[in-house]
Amino acid sequence: LAKTTQPISMDSYEGQEVNITCSHNNIATNDYITWYQQFPSQGPRFIIQGYKTKVTNEVASLFIPADRKSSTLSLPRVSLSDTAVYYCLVGDIPNDYKLSFGAGTTVTVRA
Amino acid sequence: DTAVSQTPKYLVTQMGNDKSIKCEQNLGHDTMYWYKQDSKKFLKIMFSYNNKELIINETVPNRFSPKSPDKAHLNLHINSLELGDSAVYFCASSPPGRGSGNTIYFGEGSWLTVV
Repeated sequence: LAKTTQPISMDSYEGQEVNITCSHNNIATNDYITWYQQFPSQGPRFIIQGYKTKVTNEVASLFIPADRKSSTLSLPRVSLSDTAVYYCLVGDIPNDYKLSFGAGTTVTVRA
Repeated sequence: DTAVSQTPKYLVTQMGNDKSIKCEQNLGHDTMYWYKQDSKKFLKIMFSYNNKELIINETVPNRFSPKSPDKAHLNLHINSLELGDSAVYFCASSPPGRGSGNTIYFGEGSWLTVV
């Protein structure tokens, strides 16, 4: 199991780019890096996933250096509705049956 | 269409009672989970099931008993509820086969309050 470390909270303003870095020094060869977003009173939902280098979708970008010991989720031009908790999960889904999430990063976007 | 649905969403009950939370997924996934989220937002795995078979029981008290009647359902029964059981419980599922695109799909959560 790759343990992850990410900042507890981050504040931003509308229109800014938010970058959240997750450390996972013990990542294994078969592990993927997946980021989730959770709004209050809802379950976490998938944002983006990557194995190495850079991945981009309509919501975010994920940057993974060559050693894969960290990853950075980038949210471009955030809005108030991006206020949520963001979780970094590292593992080999579904073969890792014991995947637990950390406390996540609470991102607060202000007007 | 709700992919992973769980009921009830809110549950308030007294200490010592027995309660159940039901979960169903219509995604055709083989693996289902129960997670517990505490007040500090940690999401901890409780149980993992694969094809109705229990794979993981993560040091959960035996007052918690999951039951999987078929691949699409994983219910959680809790006996003799304690104050410390108050939390949000999430059911989840994931598809078979490793690799890119595999992810965990979560239900909306069940807020359990024990008084």
